[in-house]
Amino acid sequence: QVQLVQSGAEVKKPGAAVKVSCKVSGYTLTTLSLHWVRQAPGKGLEWMGNFDPEDDETIYAQKFQGRVTMTVDTSTATAYMELSSLKSEDTAVYYCATEWFGELCAYWGQGTLITVSS
Amino acid sequence: QSVLTQPPSASGTPGQRVVISCSGSSSNIGSNAVHWYQQLPGAAPKLLIQKNNQRPSGVPDRFSGSKSGTSASLAISGLQSEDEAEYYCASWDDSHVIFGGGTKLTVL
Repeated sequence: QVQLVQSGAEVKKPGAAVKVSCKVSGYTLTTLSLHWVRQAPGKGLEWMGNFDPEDDETIYAQKFQGRVTMTVDTSTATAYMELSSLKSEDTAVYYCATEWFGELCAYWGQGTLITVSS
Repeated sequence: QSVLTQPPSASGTPGQRVVISCSGSSSNIGSNAVHWYQQLPGAAPKLLIQKNNQRPSGVPDRFSGSKSGTSASLAISGLQSEDEAEYYCASWDDSHVIFGGGTKLTVL
């Protein structure tokens, strides 16, 4: 059974950085592409980027280039998304989601609320 | 602004058939598959339709998808109160994923 369990909610000050974790089980992290998607309060889904183990490549949405870093720790089956220089507009629920043999974002984590406030 | 365009809202009464559209371009829907997600209030999105018209295991056959050219549609037949949710389309576009702006479905 595929499961993605994310870290808990955090409150950050503007200018700080946040690192969200996503621990996977039921499959091997390095075999399927893992995506990060965020959703601001009352807004739609916004793709941030993905790690593709097949190409060993990480692709970021242009909007987040230079501010986001996505990594994986195979020893703990955990993926991480770090977002720096936080602004109030970064307040959102952040999701990790894995592909499943051609199924885009087939399984999702429960989401992590990041609140940016002074 | 989303590159995939969806109507912001849709509605229907129980038992009715509702169709939600998703319009894109040649670089996304025109050359890649479309996937649909259902997001219930307070929950993470759930994959509803993958690769244009395939239902993942466990998704009722009341839900169906289609694609033609640079547009796609999600149809829900036999509408039920539990179908009230936000629906999103998604597709690849030049190695990036793009989502539609979402359609809020209300069951009257």
